[in-house]
Amino acid sequence: NAGVTQTPKFRVLKTGQSMTLLCAQDMNHEYMYWYRQDPGMGLRLIHYSVGEGTTAKGEVPDGYNVSRLKKQNFLLGLESAAPSQTSVYFCASTRWSVDNEQFFGPGTRLTVL
Amino acid sequence: GESVGLHLPTLSVQEGDNSIINCAYSNSASDYFIWYKQESGKGPQFIIDIRSNMDKRQGQRVTVLLNKTVKHLSLQIAATQPGDSAVYFCAENTGFQKLVFGTGTRLLVSP
Repeated sequence: NAGVTQTPKFRVLKTGQSMTLLCAQDMNHEYMYWYRQDPGMGLRLIHYSVGEGTTAKGEVPDGYNVSRLKKQNFLLGLESAAPSQTSVYFCASTRWSVDNEQFFGPGTRLTVL
Repeated sequence: GESVGLHLPTLSVQEGDNSIINCAYSNSASDYFIWYKQESGKGPQFIIDIRSNMDKRQGQRVTVLLNKTVKHLSLQIAATQPGDSAVYFCAENTGFQKLVFGTGTRLLVSP
């Protein structure tokens, strides 16, 4: 099993450009999450999904949109990138609502100039 | 509001010593508290969790202690090894496995 994979690994955008980050998991997990991690800080939840076709806002959702059209994929979109969105983005998944073990992807390092 | 913080940003220990990483939390309603390990350039990795109705839980070389009276959480690592060098985060489960993370403690293990 590949676990949780993220595409791309690195990306540089100019202010105002858009992009989509892809997260895929092959563990048949129900719950998926997008976090951002800024230097010297912990992770903050952007959006999450408790199942195919569902999404919900996390702690810092502004400027981001998500979609979960297939159970194994969770997409994070930036419609108009801003320098404040420069960060490392992590996707995670977990099996069900009573399981605290989230499985994280390797991260995507995004720089917005 | 909710917050999870750590007392020490960096902890340096010698190989073979026991390490103790501390964390304070403010949300008494959380059901679970969790510890994650993050190695450089990687995503966080689950270490151990503890339910709010427990005081102590042990895993392989790790022990988590929860003191609800003072809202304090700690991770003890026995016989610390160089491979334990990483950043350690405490987190609390706020429902639907939504995690609120602390800022992290860097553990440096020297031979």
